[in-house]
Amino acid sequence: AQSVTQLDSQVPVFEEAPVELRCNYSSSVSVYLFWYVQYPNQGLQLLLKYLSGSTLVKGINGFEAEFNKSQTSFHLRKPSVHISDTAEYFCAVIFTGGGNKLTFGTGTQLKVEL
Amino acid sequence: DAGITQSPRYKITETGRQVTLMCHQTWSHSYMFWYRQDLGHGLRLIYYSAAADITDKGEVPDGYVVSRSKTENFPLTLESATRSQTSVYFCASGRQNTEAFFGQGTRLTVV
Repeated sequence: AQSVTQLDSQVPVFEEAPVELRCNYSSSVSVYLFWYVQYPNQGLQLLLKYLSGSTLVKGINGFEAEFNKSQTSFHLRKPSVHISDTAEYFCAVIFTGGGNKLTFGTGTQLKVEL
Repeated sequence: DAGITQSPRYKITETGRQVTLMCHQTWSHSYMFWYRQDLGHGLRLIYYSAAADITDKGEVPDGYVVSRSKTENFPLTLESATRSQTSVYFCASGRQNTEAFFGQGTRLTVV
């Protein structure tokens, strides 16, 4: 079965500390991978995407993610977080041949504290 | 302005009433989607459309109807609203095999 898993529902971190938000997927077909961010009462904004090529992708606001095909993971990282990074983060996957639909994980609430 | 817009932003309706949520995009994207967002579930796909006059069910289609007579519009209708349909609804659009762009959402409360 095809699925997307974000095991951490909440991640608290102090400002200027590094953070990693985990995303794993299950699939028998090739995939396209995305991370979105949602600030309170707003829509979803694309942080970064992996379509092909280099497995390390860089996005907006200093975030990056690495596609690991053998571990079926696409973890999001930032070396030093800021208060303004407090938001909900969603991993999403397009499973090829499945109608171009984004399948989302359940989200990780990142809370940055002083 | 270019982009994707949803209306209304907020809606309160009564159980059993029909309600339609509107979605309009100006990019001429072929794909359009409707998701609902509920605590603990992330975003779940209700319906999607690959082109005008082509629609297909997503993960949670029961109780919803969509149409797509024009590329730019993708309305979502709740035929007889139930309290379980209280949610935040997001419309999105995109091209083949790449990201989708999301509207600001419609917060629907069914009382």
